[in-house]
Amino acid sequence: GAGVSQSPSNKVTEKGKDVELRCDPISGHTALYWYRQRLGQGLEFLIYFQGNSAPDKSGLPSDRFSAERTGESVSTLTIQRTQQEDSAVYLCASRRTGTGAYEQYFGPGTRLTVT
Amino acid sequence: GQSLEQPSEVTAVEGAIVQINCTYQTSGFYGLSWYQQHDGGAPTFLSYNALDGLEETGRFSSFLSRSDSYGYLLLQELQMKDSASYFCAVLTDSWGKFQFGAGTQVVVTP
Repeated sequence: GAGVSQSPSNKVTEKGKDVELRCDPISGHTALYWYRQRLGQGLEFLIYFQGNSAPDKSGLPSDRFSAERTGESVSTLTIQRTQQEDSAVYLCASRRTGTGAYEQYFGPGTRLTVT
Repeated sequence: GQSLEQPSEVTAVEGAIVQINCTYQTSGFYGLSWYQQHDGGAPTFLSYNALDGLEETGRFSSFLSRSDSYGYLLLQELQMKDSASYFCAVLTDSWGKFQFGAGTQVVVTP
């Protein structure tokens, strides 16, 4: 079946503008993650959704960042009043849950450039 | 604080064996994963260890020692296509949160 998809693939925005990034997880995957990856660096955890439970927002770097997920489907990550330090690739991953379900399936990412 | 330490870069020739170490210090530990990421690509899952010992999958093997807070990924019979970044990631709680290391760039030379 289809993998994780993200849109847009690239986004260039001016400092101070808001941006919205979208993630479509694999159907049936109850867990969904957002990560940030700066150039040449590792994956920085942002937020994690698990089914209908309250999300783990502990990785969001500031109150300019927020994310929503409707049920077990699409998620959107919103960055308000973007800053140049927000420039990075934003990766979404989904995972099924249950015994032995440890693999995260990553989307291709959204490359965000703030000018 | 929480930390995962892995070397920043390893260079080896085709056909060689490379070991990428990962030491971790996290508030919780449920298992250790490894992911591969080619330049410009998405990370892809390689392995997961919840228990001590060695897990072998083809040319790649992964090892875990929970008492030493240490694991490694072993890449055998290196091929040019193995040139990529490799990340270790710790499952830090029973709910499903992972913390990733900074990654190791593996460069395979002819």
